[in-house]
Amino acid sequence: DAGVIQSPRHEVTEMGQEVTLRCKPISGHNSLFWYRQTMMRGLELLIYFNNNVPIDDSGMPEDRFSAKMPNASFSTLKIQPSEPRDSAVYFCASRGRTGRQTQYFGPGTRLLVL
Amino acid sequence: KQEVTQIPAALSVPEGENLVLNCSFTDSAIYNLQWFRQDPGKGLTSLLLIQSSQREQTSGRLNASLDKSSGRSTLYIAASQPGDSATYLCAVRPGANNLFFGTGTRLTVIP
Repeated sequence: DAGVIQSPRHEVTEMGQEVTLRCKPISGHNSLFWYRQTMMRGLELLIYFNNNVPIDDSGMPEDRFSAKMPNASFSTLKIQPSEPRDSAVYFCASRGRTGRQTQYFGPGTRLLVL
Repeated sequence: KQEVTQIPAALSVPEGENLVLNCSFTDSAIYNLQWFRQDPGKGLTSLLLIQSSQREQTSGRLNASLDKSSGRSTLYIAASQPGDSATYLCAVRPGANNLFFGTGTRLTVIP
């Protein structure tokens, strides 16, 4: 299994531009999580999906952020318009159907907004 | 809201030493607790998962304990090696699906 796949691995953009981060969960997993990691705030959950349905998006910082999961094998996190304070590492994680299983993390996307 | 604290924030030890990392959480109503490892520029790798009904889990040189009533967990690393150098994160899962992470302990094992 290839594990959780995220793209791009690095993204540098200018303030005001739209940014789209992509995630492919592990095949067969039914829960998907988006996290953001910064030095100041550590790892924070942004949103999670269960069976492609958003369950809790209370961690999404503001309306500039949106996430979709059109099918079981793909999710996107979009920031529009981007701001310098969005600079962080964004992680995607997935978990299998058995509730006790751990979350498996992707390698992350390092975003820098200039 | 659940808060997770890890002490110390950073730790340097000589190779071969045994060490303990600490994690505390404010709400004892948890489903499980996990310890993760994060290498620089990389994602997180799960090391150990302890269910709320368990008191400890072991994997190789790693042993994690859980005292739910006092809101504490420890990660014990025996005979530390330079390859153990990384940031170690503790995360608790309440009844829902979310994970609340601590800020991590950055471990350096000196050869």
